[in-house]
Amino acid sequence: AQSVTQLDSQVPVFEEAPVELRCNYSSSVSVYLFWYVQYPNQGLQLLLKYLSGSTLVKGINGFEAEFNKSQTSFHLRKPSVHISDTAEYFCAVSEGGGSNYKLTFGKGTLLTVNP
Amino acid sequence: DAGVIQSPRHEVTEMGQEVTLRCKPISGHNSLFWYRQTMMRGLELLIYFNNNVPIDDSGMPEDRFSAKMPNASFSTLKIQPSEPRDSAVYFCASSLGGVATQYFGPGTRLLVL
Repeated sequence: AQSVTQLDSQVPVFEEAPVELRCNYSSSVSVYLFWYVQYPNQGLQLLLKYLSGSTLVKGINGFEAEFNKSQTSFHLRKPSVHISDTAEYFCAVSEGGGSNYKLTFGKGTLLTVNP
Repeated sequence: DAGVIQSPRHEVTEMGQEVTLRCKPISGHNSLFWYRQTMMRGLELLIYFNNNVPIDDSGMPEDRFSAKMPNASFSTLKIQPSEPRDSAVYFCASSLGGVATQYFGPGTRLLVL
């Protein structure tokens, strides 16, 4: 069965600093990987996704993530964060195949950007 | 496009009452998902429909929960009878199927007293 571990429940950083949010997954088959962001009192929005091809994926708002198959990781990075990036970030995995493409989400990482 | 629409946005009810949550997916999307979010358990998939047919309901907690999708533009999640441990935010999401992006609604915040 697929599973996702987000190694940090909270990450505080200062504005304009770089940030990395860590995500590891467990699966016995090929996977598709996603990062979603949730702003307070809102639903989730897709930041980026890895389906195939280049292991470095660029998303919205200046975020990027790198798929590392040998380390089963999909860490999210941004070189310089803004106050408006304060939100909860969720990593998700889908094993796909057949007709079942359900997503399994990690517990989330709360990113707090301080002035 | 209006996005995924959920109603009500907030629901407060007493233990034992029936609760019905509603979702209108994005027009043209053929997959619909119901999730539950709590502090303790995070975001859990409850049930997933493809072309109005339930594909995976392994996440439905127990018989008190039921979900229907009578047509491509409407789905309901019903809890009967409700219990305090059902208090959570319930999200509906829709997609074009496969590994297409899932678009989430704003959620229904349910409090069962």
